[in-house]
Amino acid sequence: DSGVTQTPKHLITATGQRVTLRCSPRSGDLSVYWYQQSLDQGLQFLIQYYNGEERAKGNILERFSAQQFPDLHSELNLSSLELGDSALYFCASSVHTGISGNTIYFGEGSWLTVV
Amino acid sequence: GENVEQHPSTLSVQEGDSAVIKCTYSDSASNYFPWYKQELGKRPQLIIDIRSNVGEKKDQRIAVTLNKTAKHFSLHITETQPEDSAVYFCAARKTAGNKLTFGGGTRVLVKP
Repeated sequence: DSGVTQTPKHLITATGQRVTLRCSPRSGDLSVYWYQQSLDQGLQFLIQYYNGEERAKGNILERFSAQQFPDLHSELNLSSLELGDSALYFCASSVHTGISGNTIYFGEGSWLTVV
Repeated sequence: GENVEQHPSTLSVQEGDSAVIKCTYSDSASNYFPWYKQELGKRPQLIIDIRSNVGEKKDQRIAVTLNKTAKHFSLHITETQPEDSAVYFCAARKTAGNKLTFGGGTRVLVKP
């Protein structure tokens, strides 16, 4: 168990709908990262938050948004869903600073299927 | 931004043989290079990492080497076992707190 908690584990929804994926980082971790992994694909960086503020943005679609709350949990919102958005969405967290801040721990992921 | 390339994309080895996966990175400022193992449908798990002030690191049957001049690093798995079958990802980052940039992954199959 990495200590990073993601919900829901599985989600099936229809095209055009909106979903929210939730992530609780490891205790004490200030940075949260979101990655997307499509079938047989690599890990594509979407966005990073640090202590409530957006820190880095990757290839995140405009239909997607995220935020990190004061209690450090994060949500990834996916709207106007398309079939191609079907993927495994990972949340990861790290301490952020120092040597320990190098290690990024991944949650179990949220499987999203758009039908 | 950083770009990480990983080769080969698939690797099939006989049980007991060695497996080597190679990665190159583009940003000379990168100084931390982890390797993750991902089993089907599971989360990526860190198996070993190396920092730029070290040229080689070992942990039992796995080792990683880093050549900063050439900007490449490699994962070596010796005495492979069926449970080593998985997808392996290399990654690079500049400083603590920055995102990891991942390579495309290598699917390793260890044949008994």
